[in-house]
Amino acid sequence: DTEVTQTPKHLVMGMTNKKSLKCEQHMGHRAMYWYKQKAKKPPELMFVYSYEKLSINESVPSRFSPECPNSSLLNLHLHALQPEDSALYLCASSQDGFGGTGFYEQYFGPGTRLTVT
Amino acid sequence: AQTVTQSQPEMSVQEAETVTLSCTYDTSESDYYLFWYKQPPSRQMILVIRQEAYKQQNATENRFSVNFQKAAKSFSLKISDSQLGDAAMYFCAYRDSGAGSYQLTFGKGTKLSVIP
Repeated sequence: DTEVTQTPKHLVMGMTNKKSLKCEQHMGHRAMYWYKQKAKKPPELMFVYSYEKLSINESVPSRFSPECPNSSLLNLHLHALQPEDSALYLCASSQDGFGGTGFYEQYFGPGTRLTVT
Repeated sequence: AQTVTQSQPEMSVQEAETVTLSCTYDTSESDYYLFWYKQPPSRQMILVIRQEAYKQQNATENRFSVNFQKAAKSFSLKISDSQLGDAAMYFCAYRDSGAGSYQLTFGKGTKLSVIP
C-alpha cells in the first residue's frame, strides 16, 4: 500500500487564524516531506524530516511550523499567513532515511488546498 | 546544482496513439535517480516510473517506458496506447543517490492533453 493521506482537503483561513495540516503514512517510511505548489508550477520543497528529526528547512518563513510527533505523522502548523501563501500543500514520504539504500522515490498525498483571505 | 529541463510546456495526443515527453538534466554526479510523476486535475502527484542511473536497461511500466541516455543526459517518457486518463501534467524529476540526498529537482512540467 503506497498511500499517504492528508487532511483537510480544503482550508480557508484568515490572516490572524491558527490552523494545522495533517499528513499520515503507514508504509514504514523514514523520511517525510512538506511541499508547496503554486498553480501550473512544480512543487517546492519546504521541510524534510528523517527519523522524526528535521533534516532540511528550505528557508521557510516562521509562520510555517512543522512537527513530526511520530514516524507516521507529520503536521504543518500555520499562523499569521499571508494571501501569497495560498497554494496546494503536498506531503510526501520515502523509505530512505540516514544510511538508507534504494527505494528513493517519494510518494505523495492528495494535498490540502489552502486559501488565505 | 542539478537542473531539469522539460522543453515542451504542452503536448497533445490522439487516443490510442503514442506520445513521447522530453526531459534533459544536468548533473556532475555519476549515480542518481530519475522519475516521471503524473499530476492529473485531481492534483495528486503519482509516480509513473523510475530509473536508476547505474542501470543501462530502460525502465518499463505497462504502457509507460523511458529512453534513458546517460551520456546525453536525456530521460524521455513514452506513453503507448494513450488513454483519456493519461491527460495530466507530467513532471520529470532528478535525485542524487546516497543517504541524506532528499531533494527532488523537478522540471517545469509538460501538460498532456488526450484527444478522443
